Amino acid sequence: AQSVSQHNHHVILSEAASLELGCNYSYGGTVNLFWYVQYPGQHLQLLLKYFSGDPLVKGIKGFEAEFIKSKFSFNLRKPSVQWSDTAEYFCAVKSYNNNDMRFGAGTRLTVKP
Amino acid sequence: DTGVSQDPRHKITKRGQNVTFRCDPISEHNRLYWYRQTLGQGPEFLTYFQNEAQLEKSRLLSDRFSAERPKGSFSTLEIQRTEQGDSAMYLCASSLGSTGELFFGEGSRLTVL
Repeated sequence: AQSVSQHNHHVILSEAASLELGCNYSYGGTVNLFWYVQYPGQHLQLLLKYFSGDPLVKGIKGFEAEFIKSKFSFNLRKPSVQWSDTAEYFCAVKSYNNNDMRFGAGTRLTVKP
Repeated sequence: DTGVSQDPRHKITKRGQNVTFRCDPISEHNRLYWYRQTLGQGPEFLTYFQNEAQLEKSRLLSDRFSAERPKGSFSTLEIQRTEQGDSAMYLCASSLGSTGELFFGEGSRLTVL
C-alpha cells in the first residue's frame, strides 16, 4: 500500500533561513506528487505539483520541490523563509492507477520574525 | 466565493447520535472526495465520487458511514451511531478530471461527547 513519510513534525526557523522539508513515499508505480499548505485558520491549498518532465518544480511564493525517483523523495525547499510562511505543510502522493491521494502526517513550520 | 463549501463548520453531538455533513464542490468539478483528519495527522482518504457514482471507499469507512452524491453536485456524509473515535475534521475536496489537484473546503469539525 502507498504510504507517505514526512520526517519532521515541527520545524522552527528564523526569517531568511533556508528551508528543506523531507518527503518520502513508498510506491513502485507512476505517481503524481504534491505539496499542500495550510495557513493558520485556512483550508488546505496547493503549493506545487509534479506530474512528469523536469523533476525540479516551482510553486507559489518561491517554493520549489525536487523529485528524485531513485530515492522515492519529493523534498520541499525555499531559499529564504518569511514569517508569513508559518503554516503546516503536507506532502501527498497519488498513484497513476487509482484515485485516492495519500497524505503525509504534515510538518508544522514556525518562522520567527 | 466559488470555492468548496462545507456545512456545518462545527458539530458537537452525543455518542450514539447520527450526524450529517454537506459539501458543495466547485460547480464544474466532476470529482468529489471525503477525507478525515485528526490532530497531528494528514488527511486520510475516505471515499470518492465521479459525478454521482461512488467509485472508491476506504477500509476506514465502516458501515456506520455512508456518503451520497445524488445528482452529481453536492454530497452528504452521514455517520450513524457516532462514537468518540469519530471525532475529527471531515474534509471535502473536489477536482476536475484526473489531474489530482484537489481543492479543499474548510472542513466540518465533529466532536462526539
